[in-house]
Amino acid sequence: AQRVTQPEKLLSVFKGAPVELKCNYSYSGSPELFWYVQYSRQRLQLLLRHISRESIKGFTADLNKGETSFHLKKPFAQEEDSAMYYCALISSNTGKLIFGQGTTLQVKP
Amino acid sequence: DAGVIQSPRHEVTEMGQEVTLRCKPISGHDYLFWYRQTMMRGLELLIYFNNNVPIDDSGMPEDRFSAKMPNASFSTLKIQPSEPRDSAVYFCASRGRSEAFFGQGTRLTVV
Repeated sequence: AQRVTQPEKLLSVFKGAPVELKCNYSYSGSPELFWYVQYSRQRLQLLLRHISRESIKGFTADLNKGETSFHLKKPFAQEEDSAMYYCALISSNTGKLIFGQGTTLQVKP
Repeated sequence: DAGVIQSPRHEVTEMGQEVTLRCKPISGHDYLFWYRQTMMRGLELLIYFNNNVPIDDSGMPEDRFSAKMPNASFSTLKIQPSEPRDSAVYFCASRGRSEAFFGQGTRLTVV
């Protein structure tokens, strides 16, 4: 079954601390993976896609096929990073967009 | 392109009334998704379309929910009759070759 799992519902860190938001997936084949961010009461916005291997707002994510993971990392958290983060997968054969349960990141001053 | 457009932004209705949520996807996108977001259950996929055809509606909670996509530029999600437990934010998203883009959502309150 195709599934995305984000084990932490809430992650609370202090400003300047490193952040790692975990994402594991279950998918047979080559997945297309994304991270979306949702600031308070706003729409979901694309943060990162694995195929572009970019860094956005200081965040990076590396696809680890051996561990079936796509963890989101940032070396120094900022207060403005406080938001809900969703990991997502697109199924290449059905086109379905599957989300994890989401992790709320709270960055304290 | 103005992005994915949803209307209304907010809807307050009484239990038992019919509610219709609307979505205009990004031009040229061939997938359209409807999601429901609540504190308890997070983001749930209700139904999605490919080239205006419903592909998977297994997430639609009950027969009270129905969705249509009469053409490539418009989709509706209807709840009839509405119940207080339907209160949530409903998001529409569309995608073309890669990532999906989301609308602002419709915040539905059923009293």
